[in-house]
Amino acid sequence: AQSVTQLDSQVPVFEEAPVELRCNYSSSVSVYLFWYVQYPNQGLQLLLKYLSGSTLVKGINGFEAEFNKSQTSFHLRKPSVHISDTAEYFCAVTVNSGGYNKLIFGAGTRLAVHP
Amino acid sequence: DGGITQSPKYLFRKEGQNVTLSCEQNLNHDAMYWYRQDPGQGLRLIYYSQIVNDFQKGDIAEGYSVSREKKESFPLTVTSAQKNPTAFYLCASRNTGLNTGELFFGEGSRLTVL
Repeated sequence: AQSVTQLDSQVPVFEEAPVELRCNYSSSVSVYLFWYVQYPNQGLQLLLKYLSGSTLVKGINGFEAEFNKSQTSFHLRKPSVHISDTAEYFCAVTVNSGGYNKLIFGAGTRLAVHP
Repeated sequence: DGGITQSPKYLFRKEGQNVTLSCEQNLNHDAMYWYRQDPGQGLRLIYYSQIVNDFQKGDIAEGYSVSREKKESFPLTVTSAQKNPTAFYLCASRNTGLNTGELFFGEGSRLTVL
């Protein structure tokens, strides 16, 4: 069965430092990959997505992710974080179910940016 | 602007009472979903609907019910049979024409049972 593993449940980091949030998925077929961000008491907002083409995907708020098919990974990176980046981040992958694509989510990574 | 509206944002109920959470979208999406989120956990699928007048159970449907009488609306009822209903509930929709799986989310409803 398709699954998504976010390797870190919490990531503390100082402001202006770089950060990487790790995501691995289990699949041997072509996939669509997503990162969502959730601020406290809000819904999920799409950060970026990989559908096809260039394996380096740029998203909103200075985030980017790289699709690595051989390692089945889709890690999220930002070169310099801000306090406002403190949030929960979810990695997600599509899986074909009954003829349509549905989204499977990882458990989330809580990013805490400290001054 | 198109989007998904969930109401109410916060809701309190007494044990034994049913409560209905509203979800309305003006994105013209065919598919709609309800997820439950508990502290420190990911998203768990309650119910989903791919088309009007049709819906299917997700992974944790017990104690919940839904209806899909209109394309724009997918209300969720949390019944008294739900053992632990206090949670954050998220509604989402999907453009089935693209079939990438991408979901668009509402702002969520936080239900607290007193």
